[in-house]
Amino acid sequence: AQSVAQPEDQVNVAEGNPLTVKCTYSVSGNPYLFWYVQYPNRGLQFLLKYITGDNLVKGSYGFEAEFNKSQTSFHLKKPSALVSDSALYFCAVRDTTGGFKTIFGAGTRLFVKA
Amino acid sequence: SAVISQKPSRDICQRGTSLTIQCQVDSQVTMMFWYRQQPGQSLTLIATANQGSEATYESGFVIDKFPISRPNLTFSTLTVSNMSPEDSSIYLCSVGTRDTNTGELFFGEGSRLTVL
Repeated sequence: AQSVAQPEDQVNVAEGNPLTVKCTYSVSGNPYLFWYVQYPNRGLQFLLKYITGDNLVKGSYGFEAEFNKSQTSFHLKKPSALVSDSALYFCAVRDTTGGFKTIFGAGTRLFVKA
Repeated sequence: SAVISQKPSRDICQRGTSLTIQCQVDSQVTMMFWYRQQPGQSLTLIATANQGSEATYESGFVIDKFPISRPNLTFSTLTVSNMSPEDSSIYLCSVGTRDTNTGELFFGEGSRLTVL
């Protein structure tokens, strides 16, 4: 069965500092991995995904994520955080063996302090 | 990409009543899903809305409680039946715009239901 773990409920970072939001996954086959962001009172917005190829993927708003197969991780990163990055971030996984079912992690709330 | 409109955006409902949530997409999509996001929690897939056939429900969700319609490739409804306070959640419509499962999902802004 597929599962996703986001070990941190909340991440606090100062504006201008690098940020990392952690995600680990478990699937029976190869994974498709996604990050989404949710701003207050809004639906989820897609940030980036890993399907195949280069382990470092770049996405919207300067975010990037690194796929590490041996550690089954897909951590979200940004070199320099902005106050406007404060939001709820969800990691998600889909099993490549078939189907569109997407499993979401519990979410990590990011606070960027000015 | 896809633009998804959900109605209502929020509602306060009485215990025992039912409410239907509408999801309209600005383009034809193959894959359409309904998720539930309970307060402070992650998203849980309720069902896949299949055009022209019965929805496919996930474990723990049944058609009698969450009937779904999908009359065409741009529209779906989710009904929350015989509501109780435990049904207070945000309900999200989501679509996949690609026929392969490599595509990302697009979400509506959600329908926030409060059951008294």
